[in-house]
Amino acid sequence: DARVTQTPRHKVTEMGQEVTMRCQPILGHNTVFWYRQTMMQGLELLAYFRNRAPLDDSGMPKDRFSAEMPDATLATLKIQPSEPRDSAVYFCASGFPFLGQRETQYFGPGTRLLVL
Amino acid sequence: AQKITQTQPGMFVQEKEAVTLDCTYDTSDQSYGLFWYKQPSSGEMIFLIYQGSYDEQNATEGRYSLNFQKARKSANLVISASQLGDSAMYFCAMRGYGNNRLAFGKGNQVVVIP
Repeated sequence: DARVTQTPRHKVTEMGQEVTMRCQPILGHNTVFWYRQTMMQGLELLAYFRNRAPLDDSGMPKDRFSAEMPDATLATLKIQPSEPRDSAVYFCASGFPFLGQRETQYFGPGTRLLVL
Repeated sequence: AQKITQTQPGMFVQEKEAVTLDCTYDTSDQSYGLFWYKQPSSGEMIFLIYQGSYDEQNATEGRYSLNFQKARKSANLVISASQLGDSAMYFCAMRGYGNNRLAFGKGNQVVVIP
């Protein structure tokens, strides 16, 4: 049963600390997405990659957030320094492009981040 | 830009009954895709069903069906024979032409009662 995995599942940290979230996409998927979910904003796309290359990170605060794909099996999202307003659930999703619009994104379980 | 609207308040549904969740969208694209996801209290996002803008038939996946009305720009999700495990938040999402971004609505909360 292929699934997107994310670690850690929960993270509590203090303001100013670095936070690193990891994602393993489904094997064979070449598109990886990072989303953030909050009560106020709902689900927002932060960044996405295709074939490990960043295609769009316009949703990400550039001064403190960075996203990378060191290899096809690992995507990382880093926040440095973290702030209380970064508290949210961060989802990773992966997909494989079909013709047209059919590409489905499969989500990981999320990382619940709390910044004190 | 795509916009998804889900405005229904939280819903209580009797077990075994059907429930319809409303979703309207706004886009200038001719080709687009519509998705529904389920988010139970455990937090994961579960893909349910897909409808392409050029699909001639409404999509169905088991107890889920999508009532697609292109002219009205609506893509309502119908869950038949509700089960207790259907209690969750349901999100409608859309991808426009040549665009990898999924735009999500705010979600519909469903609680199934025995």
